[in-house]
Amino acid sequence: NAGVTQTPKFRILKIGQSMTLQCTQDMNHNYMYWYRQDPGMGLKLIYYSVGAGITDKGEVPNGYNVSRSTTEDFPLRLELAAPSQTSVYFCASSWGSGDTGELFFGEGSRLTVL
Amino acid sequence: KNQVEQSPQSLIILEGKNCTLQCNYTVSPFSNLRWYKQDTGRGPVSLTIMTFSENTKSNGRYTATLDADTKQSSLHITASQLSDSASYICVVSPGDMRFGAGTRLTVKP
Repeated sequence: NAGVTQTPKFRILKIGQSMTLQCTQDMNHNYMYWYRQDPGMGLKLIYYSVGAGITDKGEVPNGYNVSRSTTEDFPLRLELAAPSQTSVYFCASSWGSGDTGELFFGEGSRLTVL
Repeated sequence: KNQVEQSPQSLIILEGKNCTLQCNYTVSPFSNLRWYKQDTGRGPVSLTIMTFSENTKSNGRYTATLDADTKQSSLHITASQLSDSASYICVVSPGDMRFGAGTRLTVKP
């Protein structure tokens, strides 16, 4: 019963380094999302995908990239880490869009950029 | 300005007591409203989802109400337990989802 799996759970980066947050879901959901959660703020959408090969920007996409080569995987890439990217990142998936689909979240990845 | 406002920001109650959390939204058009529970260090988990035609929805000791006219929702927790300690997040959808900042609930023995 894995659901949505994110790795790593914790990571410390130096300014300018790059890394990829991995996300895999085993529910055959078409929709996948990346959010960031900052203290005292609601989750903000970074990127989303409505199916393999299709991605689109969310509310806060700058400094990030994504790809969706398979239904299961939706990695988030940080190219040049900046302190402003210190946050908790959540991957989520749903069978339908925001109007109809329930979101299933991963456990989160806490990223610190120093 | 956030289109989904939750109050209070934090709340402390004694085990066994009831509490009510509030969510006001300005999102329009409105499709559905959800409440999520987020335990510390975990991802959010869905509690309820309501469309504009639903006034109330229950999930065990959790009861959500919705007034689409005043754009307000509440989450009522009955007979609180220590395991209810978590953040509760209101999410409003017109297609894309708008998240509130959450209410941090602490239940003390």
